[in-house]
Amino acid sequence: DVKVTQSSRYLVKRTGEKVFLECVQDMDHENMFWYRQDPGLGLRLIYFSYDVKMKEKGDIPEGYSVSREKKERFSLILESASTNQTSMYLCASRTAAYEQYFGPGTRLTVT
Amino acid sequence: GENVEQHPSTLSVQEGDSAVIKCTYSDSASNYFPWYKQELGKGPQLIIDIRSNVGEKKDQRIAVTLNKTAKHFSLHITETQPEDSAVYFCAASIENYGQNFVFGPGTRLSVLP
Repeated sequence: DVKVTQSSRYLVKRTGEKVFLECVQDMDHENMFWYRQDPGLGLRLIYFSYDVKMKEKGDIPEGYSVSREKKERFSLILESASTNQTSMYLCASRTAAYEQYFGPGTRLTVT
Repeated sequence: GENVEQHPSTLSVQEGDSAVIKCTYSDSASNYFPWYKQELGKGPQLIIDIRSNVGEKKDQRIAVTLNKTAKHFSLHITETQPEDSAVYFCAASIENYGQNFVFGPGTRLSVLP
């Protein structure tokens, strides 16, 4: 079974803090993704990576950065958290057969 | 670019009845169509997918049909059970071109006992 894990299920941070969300997959997938999910707005792609040290902007990259130093790990960074970044963050990885698997999600609250 | 619409946005059925959720897509080049189930507080789970070289795929109580001419695909759940209650998302993509998924807005399915 494909397993995608995220470092935290729930996080509460203060405005201006630097926030790290970690994602690990155990299936040697090349492609990994970060989405945010908000009511009424669906799943929106923030960043993705198709190889180690490679990254591409998705639809809403502003206010975020990513890091992929190892194939299994893809980190999302909020340089200075703001209240409008309160959301559910979902990591995913994709197989060569194009099947995309999601992690359990991190619900981030910025106060 | 690709645009995916999904209907209905909410659906209530009695336990044991069938449920059908329909998605339409705009890019005729799309050839990979997955469906995801998301339970409350969890990440989306891939439940079934279909590629454009087939018209139908079935897995126990779940089936997906694809009409390439009309550019729509549907999820069919038979003999629904309360544990089928969740939000269902469809998506479309072009396999092997590195294109990312475009998701539909989701359908909240409630199965009433």
